[in-house]
This record gives sequence, structure tokens and C-alpha cells, in this order.
Amino acid sequence: GENVEQHPSTLSVQEGDSAVIKCTYSDSASNYFPWYKQELGKRPQLIIDIRSNVGEKKDQRIAVTLNKTAKHFSLHITETQPEDSAVYFCAPDNFNKFYFGSGTKLNVKP
Amino acid sequence: EAQVTQNPRYLITVTGKKLTVTCSQNMNHEYMSWYRQDPGLGLRQIYYSMNVEVTDKGDVPEGYKVSRKEKRNFPLILESPSPNQTSLYFCASSWGLAGDNEQFFGPGTRLTVL
Repeated sequence: GENVEQHPSTLSVQEGDSAVIKCTYSDSASNYFPWYKQELGKRPQLIIDIRSNVGEKKDQRIAVTLNKTAKHFSLHITETQPEDSAVYFCAPDNFNKFYFGSGTKLNVKP
Repeated sequence: EAQVTQNPRYLITVTGKKLTVTCSQNMNHEYMSWYRQDPGLGLRQIYYSMNVEVTDKGDVPEGYKVSRKEKRNFPLILESPSPNQTSLYFCASSWGLAGDNEQFFGPGTRLTVL
């Protein structure tokens, strides 16, 4: 199966700073690259996704960049706010299956 | 309201006692999936279904069964639960056969096997 690694596992930033989380994957067959946010005690929710034919996608303060050659994609959050505090998961697809990273706990300090 | 529902939300049971966790979606999604979430391990896919009567193993299928007799329902069956199946379980659904679209998650089922 796919080997997915996320870094860092924890990230603490000051409100207003930027945060970057990186996800590396092993199988070049992956074509769909989503990021999910899970607040404490809640279900995961999609925040942004990208497909293999696109290098970057932006949605307000959130962006995702993809480097298919190097097999990694990154989540960028600018102007962080306390409500961005959560655990973030990447989950690239692999032949109809999904392999989630182990998560990055983001703490945004007011 | 578009949603994925799971029942029960909490369950405490004993080793070996068969149980079923139900999952239902009202969005006419083709793809449905079960995950378990354990601390430090993220979410791991147990089984998935690309359509009615089409199911396949995910990354950690041992000890679980599923069925997809109707498009909206995808129950998870533990025929002989063991303590190592104590976990938080999520059902999810998405549009399309391959599941490569936004997955909508249910609220989760917290299972404890004694």
C-alpha cells in the first residue's frame, strides 16, 4: 500500500503567522490529494483538495501545492487564526483506496 | 439536509459478542467507506464500496465484514469483536465510483470491547 508521511506532527504558531504542513507519499499512481481538518471531538472535514494535473490551488487563506515529481504536497495557511487550531490530515488516493497521514496538530496562539 | 449518519454513537461490548454499526447517507453517493481512528495513527481504511454489491478491502480489513445491499447503507459488522478493535470508527461517503472527491464523514462511533 501507499506510504504516507506528514510533517511536522505538531506545529505551534502565533496568530497571524503562516503555517505549512507537508505530506509525502510513495506511489506515483496517486492522482487526488485532499487535506482534512479535524477539530477536537468532531469528524474530519475537507478543507482543500488538488488533482494531479494542477500544481497549486488557493481558497482564501488556504492553499495546496503539489510536486508530483518529488511526490509531496503541502498545505499552506496564511494569517492563522485561533479557529485554525485543529489536527490536519492528508489523504492521497491510491487505486480507489485512501491512506491518511498520521496528522499534524496545529496550535494557533492568540 | 445532506448527511451521513451512524448508529450507535457509543457502544461498550464484550469480547466475542457480534455487533453491527450502521451507516446511512442521503446524498446518493456511490462510494462509501469505513475508517478506524486510533491515537497517533490517523485514520485507517477498513473497507470501501464503489457501488451496490461492490466492496473491497482497505488497509486494515481483518476482523471486519461489510455489505452494500442498498446504495444508501453500508453497515460494518464485527462478528467476534476483540479488545484490539476498541477504536473510534467513521463512515464516509463521496460522489463517484473511485471516491476521489470530497468525503463526507459521519459523526463517529466510539467502540469499547472489554
